[in-house]
Amino acid sequence: DTGVSQDPRHKITKRGQNVTFRCDPISEHNRLYWYRQTLGQGPEFLTYFQNEAQLEKSRLLSDRFSAERPKGSFSTLEIQRTEQGDSAMYLCASPMPLAPSTDTQYFGPGTRLTVL
Amino acid sequence: QKEVEQNSGPLSVPEGAIASLNCTYSDRGSQSFFWYRQYSGKSPELIMSIYSNGDKEDGRFTAQLNKASQYVSLLIRDSQPSDSATYLCAVNMGSARQLTFGSGTQLTVLP
Repeated sequence: DTGVSQDPRHKITKRGQNVTFRCDPISEHNRLYWYRQTLGQGPEFLTYFQNEAQLEKSRLLSDRFSAERPKGSFSTLEIQRTEQGDSAMYLCASPMPLAPSTDTQYFGPGTRLTVL
Repeated sequence: QKEVEQNSGPLSVPEGAIASLNCTYSDRGSQSFFWYRQYSGKSPELIMSIYSNGDKEDGRFTAQLNKASQYVSLLIRDSQPSDSATYLCAVNMGSARQLTFGSGTQLTVLP
């Protein structure tokens, strides 16, 4: 257990619906990352928070996607008007306090999204 | 050219053999390199990190880094069926120090 939790673990939705995922990172760490992984591929970077500030967004993050991290604690990722191409595993990651390097990221269990 | 490339696999080795997984990366400025293991349906699990040229050993795992050749590898000694998984190479790139992953190599260890 990395200490990063995500909810829900699985989500099935119909095309056009909105979905929201939550990530609770390792406590006391100010950095949080979201990634997306499709079948047969490695995870791809979506966005990065330092405390409550969203400092980096990938080109993959279309205007249907929005992420927040209120008060620098948990984070949410919302997808509006879902499309079948959004079906993927959505992963949250953060460094671990006292790790040898703050570059090391530990992943939560992920949220598997299926858009019908 | 992809930023992080792994040998495509799949790779099969008999139990007890050495499995060798390879990865090349494009950004010469990268400083941190990681190997993650991912079982089917699960999230990536960190198994090795390496930051300096040379070898780093942890139990049955050895990571090797050659920054001049932009090459990083993972050796798994005495492979076990429980090592059967997809192995992902990751490199820190970008201003956010985000991870850039290869597409993974699927390893099967045959009993």
